[in-house]
Amino acid sequence: DTGVSQDPRHKITKRGQNVTFRCDPISEHNRLYWYRQTLGQGPEFLTYFQNEAQLEKSRLLSDRFSAERPKGSFSTLEIQRTEQGDSAMYLCASSLSPTSGAFTDTQYFGPGTRLTVL
Amino acid sequence: DQQVKQNSPSLSVQEGRISILNCDYTNSMFDYFLWYKKYPAEGPTFLISISSIKDKNEDGRFTVFLNKSAKHLSLHIVPSQPGDSAVYFCAASDSGGSNYKLTFGKGTLLTVNP
Repeated sequence: DTGVSQDPRHKITKRGQNVTFRCDPISEHNRLYWYRQTLGQGPEFLTYFQNEAQLEKSRLLSDRFSAERPKGSFSTLEIQRTEQGDSAMYLCASSLSPTSGAFTDTQYFGPGTRLTVL
Repeated sequence: DQQVKQNSPSLSVQEGRISILNCDYTNSMFDYFLWYKKYPAEGPTFLISISSIKDKNEDGRFTVFLNKSAKHLSLHIVPSQPGDSAVYFCAASDSGGSNYKLTFGKGTLLTVNP
């Protein structure tokens, strides 16, 4: 179990540029989540995949944001035409669907990608 | 509206003593609760969880208590160690609805002094 990995760890970009982040979940996990954390706040849910299907997007995810998980393994989060308000830590988490009767799964987080938009 | 609240932004305790971190929630549909620890420049690390059918769950030095009627949970760390110094997040989910989405509090910064 190598844990959830994210790349890059840090990204500095200029306003208006596009950026893409990658997340590699724990290998046997079929669920993958993206969260965003800003200073002084807890992580906020952005979107969720079960295998390759994107099942929910938060209203925080504007049209400039797109996420994919093409083969149900790694995922990418792209932000187009970045704005200064996009500066945040972008966190990826993964989990295994709960077994029957279990309340829910436990999400394991990666180290995050810190985005700074100048 | 903030559905998960951690009203103490910070807490300072002496090494060896008990640390008690508190969390309140407003959504009565929440039935699964987790605590995460976060060091600077790292992602949150899962600590312990509890489902609504229990009122206590213990794992080593960490114990989580759940009071459903008060919509309150707490994390006890005994004994506290300097390496426990971090930000602690309380999170909740609704297994009957969006059981995949965690709602987090703003976190409490715990400092354990040697």
